[in-house]
Amino acid sequence: GNSVTQMEGPVTLSEEAFLTINCTYTATGYPSLFWYVQYPGEGLQLLLKATKADDKGSNKGFEATYRKETTSFHLEKGSVQVSDSAVYFCALINSGGSNYKLTFGKGTLLTVNP
Amino acid sequence: KAGVTQTPRYLIKTRGQQVTLSCSPISGHRSVSWYQQTPGQGLQFLFEYFSETQRNKGNFPGRFSGRQFSNSRSEMNVSTLELGDSALYLCASSGQGLNEQFFGPGTRLTVL
Repeated sequence: GNSVTQMEGPVTLSEEAFLTINCTYTATGYPSLFWYVQYPGEGLQLLLKATKADDKGSNKGFEATYRKETTSFHLEKGSVQVSDSAVYFCALINSGGSNYKLTFGKGTLLTVNP
Repeated sequence: KAGVTQTPRYLIKTRGQQVTLSCSPISGHRSVSWYQQTPGQGLQFLFEYFSETQRNKGNFPGRFSGRQFSNSRSEMNVSTLELGDSALYLCASSGQGLNEQFFGPGTRLTVL
């Protein structure tokens, strides 16, 4: 079956530091990959996505590249802000077939200090 | 375009009761999925509906059920509540031909 493994948190950084959150996956076929972010007391917001190998998703300074050879989709940001403090989830969904569900990693709590 | 809405936002129930949660998808979206989020188990898929038909179901007991109406609004029901059902229940909608899902704010259910 499908599975997503992301680095354990929590991650604590100072403002303007570089961020990497690792994510690897196991899936059949060619899944689409996503990063979602959850702010305290809120639902999930789609941060970025990639639908095929070597695609780079980007949004709000965050980037992630779909690496099929290493089955990875690591999230990066060059300079984090206090407002980036949240929980980040890596997820996948199989394209096509009858699988319409997202499979999530366990989430990584990021805290950015001023 | 309005986002996914869920009602109520908060619920407190006691063991043995039943509860119904509601989700209104983004206008034009016909697929609605439900997820349970708990600190221990993380985000787990409950079920997905498209055009009033359940297409996929997660590994949850039969106490968890759902349905979708002709206007794509969806409800999920949990009967005979247990303490372990305390969770944030998230609804997500998706447009036809798209595989990205857009989430609502969730319903926080507390079972006492």
